[in-house]
Amino acid sequence: EAGVAQSPRYKIIEKRQSVAFWCNPISGHATLYWYQQILGQGPKLLIQFQNNGVVDDSQLPKDRFSAERLKGVDSTLKIQPAKLEDSAVYLCASRLPPGGAQFFGPGTRLTVL
Amino acid sequence: QKEVEQDPGPLSVPEGAIVSLNCTYSNSAFQYFMWYRQYSRKGPELLMYTYSSGNKEDGRFTAQVDKSSKYISLFIRDSQPSDSATYLCAFIIQGAQKLVFGQGTRLTINP
Repeated sequence: EAGVAQSPRYKIIEKRQSVAFWCNPISGHATLYWYQQILGQGPKLLIQFQNNGVVDDSQLPKDRFSAERLKGVDSTLKIQPAKLEDSAVYLCASRLPPGGAQFFGPGTRLTVL
Repeated sequence: QKEVEQDPGPLSVPEGAIVSLNCTYSNSAFQYFMWYRQYSRKGPELLMYTYSSGNKEDGRFTAQVDKSSKYISLFIRDSQPSDSATYLCAFIIQGAQKLVFGQGTRLTINP
């Protein structure tokens, strides 16, 4: 079974630029999550999708972050404009409800200069 | 008070030692308890998953939950260099689907 795929793996941008990350979950997994992991911290949930609907985006900084999940499969997370404090690893995870563990992708490491 | 407290380490032990990793939590609504392992430049992978107080064993790993004290532990027996990673405790509130993670403990097993 293929795992969660993410791209790009690394991205370096300057502050105020825009960036987008892509995630392809495990086939058949209806629930998809985006997490932000700052160096030395645990992952923090940004947004959760159930199929293509948003379940929880309470910790998403909506003034600069947006995410979508078209057709309930792939998802993109966008930051516009980026700030220095957005430097982090962005992890995508998927899950097959009900119950079941979340499976994580390798993450995209973002550096904002 | 933080919802989850986990000693960030780093923790360095010799090969073959027993390792104890711990988390405390304050949210009584946490019903599911997990440990994830994260190697450098990789995503977290699930190690152990339990929902009741007591011990759960899987090979060299034992997860322990004490709901009355709001305390969970992960024990690694006969530790190997390949166990060197960051270990994250994680929790789920019953009825919700999101994970709340601890800060992670960085562990190094020295050959």
